[in-house]
Amino acid sequence: SQQGEEDPQALSIQEGENATMNCSYKTSINNLQWYRQNSGRGLVHLILIRSNEREKHSGRLRVTLDTSKKSSSLLITASRAADTASYFCATAYGNNRLAFGKGNQVVVIP
Amino acid sequence: DAGVIQSPRHEVTEMGQEVTLRCKPISGHDYLFWYRQTMMRGLELLIYFNNNVPIDDSGMPEDRFSAKMPNASFSTLKIQPSEPRDSAVYFCASTNKGNQPQHFGDGTRLSIL
Repeated sequence: SQQGEEDPQALSIQEGENATMNCSYKTSINNLQWYRQNSGRGLVHLILIRSNEREKHSGRLRVTLDTSKKSSSLLITASRAADTASYFCATAYGNNRLAFGKGNQVVVIP
Repeated sequence: DAGVIQSPRHEVTEMGQEVTLRCKPISGHDYLFWYRQTMMRGLELLIYFNNNVPIDDSGMPEDRFSAKMPNASFSTLKIQPSEPRDSAVYFCASTNKGNQPQHFGDGTRLSIL
């Protein structure tokens, strides 16, 4: 079965609000990555968190990783209309491949 | 720097025709991946190469699909004969090290009529 499963949400929020999405996986990982995909474009890497890290920040992004629960969350603070996109988590589990989840669609209303 | 370049961006063809998708990875990247994205199945890995050698093609749907990487700067994904169920967006991605962030092209949107 595919690893890297986001909560299958379509999230609609107002500009300025925070957006949170979750991802769960099934087996041990080397790292977990989050990607963004704008409509009609390829995926763009946002942030990588290693299996021995618990939290990581990059600008308005905050990622947490709980290896005991095999889950991760991505928080986007102070959302902007430009954050409207689909967000994917991907797990790397040692064989040079990434397993992508189905994605969460986020709509930020100006 | 140029990113991953895919061509064509859009392809519409009739069932039974041969389709060839092309990809130029980022220079210096040793890994190249082909994915297929559909609403129903999400993003599926079809095949990946390391140093131009196919490593894992277990995701290739059937014998109608084939992929080659004749050199470090070019790869093709071929479907022959094409079928309507092959309609999807096909992405190519590259990275300089396994398990590290991948750089995606903007994909080829394929429609088989």
